[in-house]
Amino acid sequence: NAGVTQTPKFRVLKTGQSMTLLCAQDMNHEYMYWYRQDPGMGLRLIHYSVGEGTTAKGEVPDGYNVSRLKKQNFLLGLESAAPSQTSVYFCASSYVFGARGTYEQYFGPGTRLTVT
Amino acid sequence: EDKVVQSPLSLVVHEGDTVTLNCSYEVTNFRSLLWYKQEKKAPTFLFMLTSSGIEKKSGRLSSILDKKELFSILNITATQTGDSAVYLCAVEGYSGAGSYQLTFGKGTKLSVIP
Repeated sequence: NAGVTQTPKFRVLKTGQSMTLLCAQDMNHEYMYWYRQDPGMGLRLIHYSVGEGTTAKGEVPDGYNVSRLKKQNFLLGLESAAPSQTSVYFCASSYVFGARGTYEQYFGPGTRLTVT
Repeated sequence: EDKVVQSPLSLVVHEGDTVTLNCSYEVTNFRSLLWYKQEKKAPTFLFMLTSSGIEKKSGRLSSILDKKELFSILNITATQTGDSAVYLCAVEGYSGAGSYQLTFGKGTKLSVIP
């Protein structure tokens, strides 16, 4: 049971390049989330998904797209990277509240992205 | 807009001290408040609080929620160097269309020195 995994762990992009971050979970969680964490800003929600084939915007969605084609995977895409997207990106997943009586989110190890 | 404010933002204590971390919030359709500990990588879950006045305890850590005054505290007694971390408070609110979101505070960075 690997929990939540993220690939890659580190990446350096030039402005304008594109990339996709992959998040995978093996806990059969319905909900999945992408956050970014910047110094002094805490964790901010980018996009989330409440089930396979559905996605929704979070607090800071601009410049990102997501897809949830399979229940266990949640992809975060940057179509044209900008220096403002330099951050640490965390993926998380959770059960639906009520199904297990908990809303604990399990986090992946993070991806450190630098855009130059 | 949902808001979570943690204080202090950073704290330095000596081993053995007791610390109290604060979290106040404004959120529509509150459902729960969660505390996480973040060391070098991913946040790890500590507590989830849904009811006022009921203390949750795990070893030297404890937490309580006041839904009337809209705040929570996290206490750590007899601190150890291994408690050094950023402590995140997050509040769960209903965002519509049957889904809930967590809004995180900026965290309190705790440093415990020997």
